[in-house]
Amino acid sequence: EVQLVESGGGLVQPGGSLRLSCAASGFTVSSNYMSWVRQAPGKGLEWVSVIYSGGSTYYADSVKGRFTISRDNSKNTLYLQMNSLRAEDTAVYYCAGCNAVAAPDIWGQGTMVTVSS
Amino acid sequence: DIQMTQSPSSLSASVGDRVTITCRASQSISSYLNWYQQKPGKAPKLLIYAASSLQSGVPSRFSGSGSGTDFTLTISSLQPEDFATYYCQQSYSTPGAFGPGTKVDIK
Repeated sequence: EVQLVESGGGLVQPGGSLRLSCAASGFTVSSNYMSWVRQAPGKGLEWVSVIYSGGSTYYADSVKGRFTISRDNSKNTLYLQMNSLRAEDTAVYYCAGCNAVAAPDIWGQGTMVTVSS
Repeated sequence: DIQMTQSPSSLSASVGDRVTITCRASQSISSYLNWYQQKPGKAPKLLIYAASSLQSGVPSRFSGSGSGTDFTLTISSLQPEDFATYYCQQSYSTPGAFGPGTKVDIK
């Protein structure tokens, strides 16, 4: 069964850091485009970042310079390192595997990140 | 960056109705347009990719059309399990912007 399982969310103070993990099974992270998408409470979906199979990475302007997407091929796991967190980063964070046209077609269950003092 | 808009923002419909949701990109995205369904507390589910390709396992009552800047998602006969929020998303270029969503609820 293909599955993505996120972890690492929680409560963090403004200015703090958090690292999200997304463990894949039945699916090879390094062979696919992998994305992070977030959803603030009661709001719509926001694209955050992507890492291509070749290793190129891209970010939304709202997180550029603060967030870093990466992967560990040996662990078949995707990561999102989040630094200098702000209240507006509060959201459910989803990892997703993308198909050949870069459409996220495999989603994790999401992990909640709350930035608050 | 490419901006995505959707209309309507919400609609009320009855079981059996034909429902159409439109999505517009701020510049041409060829056919790199995807549609998602999301129910409360759940992850989004891919319905349609590349504007008109039905994702495996998705009922055939869902269909997509369009190219360039204007796209449509159609549900031919609304079923009880289709009451949800629908999002379009462009995967032509990064950032892969999503539309603001269309909430479909029961009339």
